[in-house]
Order: sequence, then structure tokens, then C-alpha cells
Amino acid sequence: GAGVSQSPSNKVTEKGKDVELRCDPISGHTALYWYRQSLGQGLEFLIYFQGNSAPDKSGLPSDRFSAERTGGSVSTLTIQRTQQEDSAVYLCASSPDHYGYTFGSGTRLTVV
Amino acid sequence: LAKTTQPVSMDSYEGQEVNITCSHNNIATNDYITWYQQFPSQGPRFIIQGYKTKVTNEVASLFIPADRKSSTLSLPRVSLSDTAVYYCLVGDMNDMRFGAGTRLTVKP
Repeated sequence: GAGVSQSPSNKVTEKGKDVELRCDPISGHTALYWYRQSLGQGLEFLIYFQGNSAPDKSGLPSDRFSAERTGGSVSTLTIQRTQQEDSAVYLCASSPDHYGYTFGSGTRLTVV
Repeated sequence: LAKTTQPVSMDSYEGQEVNITCSHNNIATNDYITWYQQFPSQGPRFIIQGYKTKVTNEVASLFIPADRKSSTLSLPRVSLSDTAVYYCLVGDMNDMRFGAGTRLTVKP
């Protein structure tokens, strides 16, 4: 596609439910990042994938958060047993070869 | 990972040149300097990247002194639509950790 696609654009879920957020990077982009951004705050790094290397998971806030990237393309961020503090915009970014990242429009997650 | 320091906020007026400086005293030899712009309710957008001296594109210029311990993003003749948060990132090409950014407000 022409850009980084994230789905859903909005998600409202009940506390305690699991959610899956999807990121379709630009075709051929080897690097992929996940961030989350709470209202009025900066971007919080979550996880980084680079090619076939082991992902950098150092930003995941708890073991309820996990992410995978299948075939070096699509990535899924999973949040188990969601809590109200998980409410935020989750952003995905990809890059082809270390020069500038393209961000998706994000998924706005609301936990009620 | 080099720590960056930017002003929390800046105000300007339409038509003025805006310079946002970022300090990164412990920048490493293989680190690059990258700036992103973020509008409300949107993901950040890449503006410019450099390693040393000066880089210019259609949007902005990036000035980096010889010691590379700081950098300045220069936006020529800003308009109201340049109101956004501007982030300075310092790291190797795949090190994308964002700081708090600088909130630029352009007034009429």
C-alpha cells in the first residue's frame, strides 16, 4: 500500500477483555516500531522489529502486552486483560533502510 | 542512547523564521539527528535528518555544529498550519525513542 495501515482506527473494549491491534507496514520495509501515546503526552516506545532479528521488547509495560510480526510484514500488538490505563493511541511506524520512518494514523483504544 | 533536551514550548507569528534547538551532549559517533512533526490526532511525520553540518530540504533546514552536541531545526516563514509538536531524536538509524518534544504555536 501507499502508507502504513493500522486497524481498527478506533476500539472500545471492556476492562478485562483482550484486544488485537494490527499494523500493515509499507511493503518492503524491514523495520517496524510500536508506540503508544496518551492524551497530550509524548510517544512511549513499546517494541521494535528489524528484519529477522529478535525484537527489542524492552518498552513493553507489562507481560499483558505482546507483539509479533509474521513473515517480516504484518504486525499484531496484543493486550490481554485490558485495564483503563491502557487507553491511548497506539501508533505503528515502518522504515525501509534506516532513513526516516512513516507512521500510521494509529488505533485509538478506549477501555471502559 | 543519547538524551535530548528541547524547549517545552515556543510561540511565533506567521511569516517569521522559527529555530528550535535540541541539546544532545552525549551523542555517539554513529548517531544521527532526526526531527519529526506531529499534528493533533495524527502520527508523527518525518521532517529532516542529518549527521553533521547543514541539511536542507523543501520543508526545513537542520544546522549541526562541528561538535554535534546540539542541533537546530529551522522553519522558514512559518504559517498557522505549522502549529504542531516537534520532536528531536538522536541515535543510530534504528533508534527511535521520542522525548517530550517542543510544542510550537504559530499566531496570526
